[in-house]
Amino acid sequence: AQSVTQPDIHITVSEGASLELRCNYSYGATPYLFWYVQSPGQGLQLLLKYFSGDTLVQGIKGFEAEFKRSQSSFNLRKPSVHWSDAAEYFCAVAPSTGTASKLTFGTGTRLQVTL
Amino acid sequence: EAGVAQSPRYKIIEKRQSVAFWCNPISGHATLYWYQQILGQGPKLLIQFQNNGVVDDSQLPKDRFSAERLKGVDSTLKIQPAKLEDSAVYLCASRPQGGYTGELFFGEGSRLTVL
Repeated sequence: AQSVTQPDIHITVSEGASLELRCNYSYGATPYLFWYVQSPGQGLQLLLKYFSGDTLVQGIKGFEAEFKRSQSSFNLRKPSVHWSDAAEYFCAVAPSTGTASKLTFGTGTRLQVTL
Repeated sequence: EAGVAQSPRYKIIEKRQSVAFWCNPISGHATLYWYQQILGQGPKLLIQFQNNGVVDDSQLPKDRFSAERLKGVDSTLKIQPAKLEDSAVYLCASRPQGGYTGELFFGEGSRLTVL
């Protein structure tokens, strides 16, 4: 069965600092990988996704993520964080075969941005 | 384009009472999902519809939860009788017909508190 681990429950960064949120997955083959963001009181919004090809993917709001097969990781990065980035971030995985739309989410990382 | 609509946003009930949540997906979206998000956890898929048919309800506690999407548009999720552990945010999401993009569009959720 597929699973996702986000080892950091809570991260605090200063505005303007760089950010990296960690995500590790478990799956028999290369899955489809996603990052979603959830602002307080809001639904989840897709930031970016990886299906195949270039292992560095660009998303919305200046985020990027790098797929590393050898480490089973898909870490999210942003070079300079803005106060509006404070939210909860979820990594998710879906099988690349079969029921491809069945997302399994990690437990999330809450990002706090200090001014 | 209107987003995924959910109601009510908040509901407080006593255990053993019943509750129903409603979801209206984005117009034209054939696939509809209900997720349960317990505090501190990632969303967990309860049920997936394709038009008015159930694709996956393997994680739906069928002794107390039911869901329907009779006309293939809006959907209702019911819990009867509710237990304390059902306290969570119930998220509805939809996805358009066609090739798999991996992007689910989420509503703002319905927060249930069971006392």
